[in-house]
Amino acid sequence: DAGITQSPRHKVTETGTPVTLRCHQTENHRYMYWYRQDPGHGLRLIHYSYGVKDTDKGEVSDGYSVSRSKTEDFLLTLESATSSQTSVYFCAISGRQGIGTEAFFGQGTRLTVV
Amino acid sequence: RKEVEQDPGPFNVPEGATVAFNCTYSNSASQSFFWYRQDCRKEPKLLMSVYSSGNEDGRFTAQLNRASQYISLLIRDSKLSDSATYLCAVILNTGGFKTIFGAGTRLFVKA
Repeated sequence: DAGITQSPRHKVTETGTPVTLRCHQTENHRYMYWYRQDPGHGLRLIHYSYGVKDTDKGEVSDGYSVSRSKTEDFLLTLESATSSQTSVYFCAISGRQGIGTEAFFGQGTRLTVV
Repeated sequence: RKEVEQDPGPFNVPEGATVAFNCTYSNSASQSFFWYRQDCRKEPKLLMSVYSSGNEDGRFTAQLNRASQYISLLIRDSKLSDSATYLCAVILNTGGFKTIFGAGTRLFVKA
């Protein structure tokens, strides 16, 4: 295993509430990513980070923000959760041995917004 | 247009069959290429990297065609345990390096 953990693993929340998902790595990978996975859409990139305090948007970033204050942690915040954000969220890491290397995934967080 | 496109399938094949998946990418800034496997309700895991010269790992062969911007995965002698979703992925250099996935192709291998 690549030493990547996501928390929580499951969460049910109400529409309009803020939610923060955490990704923690112990492998010193430079890149960290947040994806959501929905039927028919595969993995879609929300935001990614290429270093501490360095982040950029992916293809579905609206309604999400991220922060990376240290190498190990990458937080994803849903500022005001909506039912369309019900999904499985995966964190991934890459780049310990250079750019262009494989991604390792966390086990995912199942988020339900009711 | 999506950055990475795959035939969603599903592919239903008998044991022992040969099955091929294709994936196209639209951005010529794509630098690295991979196939991942994802089992039901699990996280994706790397199956193999893809190189221009082609590469083989047992029953699995991956090819990259940069001119036509597609990658392929060939599975020979399919096993029941090959049933899974196969995702292609590319790393784009757009200032930062980001990994973009296709939607995945579902494979069912039947006895």
